[in-house]
Amino acid sequence: GAGVSQSPRYKVAKRGQDVALRCDPISGHVSLFWYQQALGQGPEFLTYFQNEAQLDKSGLPSDRFFAERPEGSVSTLKIQRTQQEDSAVYLCASSPGQGNIQYFGAGTRLSVL
Amino acid sequence: DQQVKQNSPSLSVQEGRISILNCDYTNSMFDYFLWYKKYPAEGPTFLISISSIKDKNEDGRFTVFLNKSAKHLSLHIVPSQPGDSAVYFCAAISNGAGSYQLTFGKGTKLSVIP
Repeated sequence: GAGVSQSPRYKVAKRGQDVALRCDPISGHVSLFWYQQALGQGPEFLTYFQNEAQLDKSGLPSDRFFAERPEGSVSTLKIQRTQQEDSAVYLCASSPGQGNIQYFGAGTRLSVL
Repeated sequence: DQQVKQNSPSLSVQEGRISILNCDYTNSMFDYFLWYKKYPAEGPTFLISISSIKDKNEDGRFTVFLNKSAKHLSLHIVPSQPGDSAVYFCAAISNGAGSYQLTFGKGTKLSVIP
């Protein structure tokens, strides 16, 4: 079956631009997570959805970051007024229930110039 | 403050030998641990996991050991194969926290030499 799909795979933005990153989770998966992975580091948690409800957004680094999952499936991570420090790989993961094994997409590599 | 630590950035092992990857954690609330494998330009792929109520879990060539008193876990790969060359991440969850977020280490790059 299809895994977690993320688009675009690569995004180049000029500083100050807004970007939107999309995640299609595995069909039927209730939980959806966003992580940020800087070069040479492990992924770091950004936010968590259970169906359409955003239950934890404690990892979002600033109010420029916003995530939504309006119908409980596809999710979008939006970054407003991008900064150079936002350059990273953004990973989406989904899980059939409440946590434990999470299945990851290939990520979106964002480069802010 | 790193709650999950992988102190070896890299490891080289001869094909056919055992690979041992180590992970330490500081948060005693962690109750479920996972290992992920990552190839370049791909997302992390789940490998094996262990609950804190167990001390060992085995799946084919992969075995994870958990020492709760030492807050230490390790992944053993026997025998190692060239296709095992990848970055391995240790991750932990505190199910009682209600968020189910994974906390990752920085990873260990394993190179299996033919």
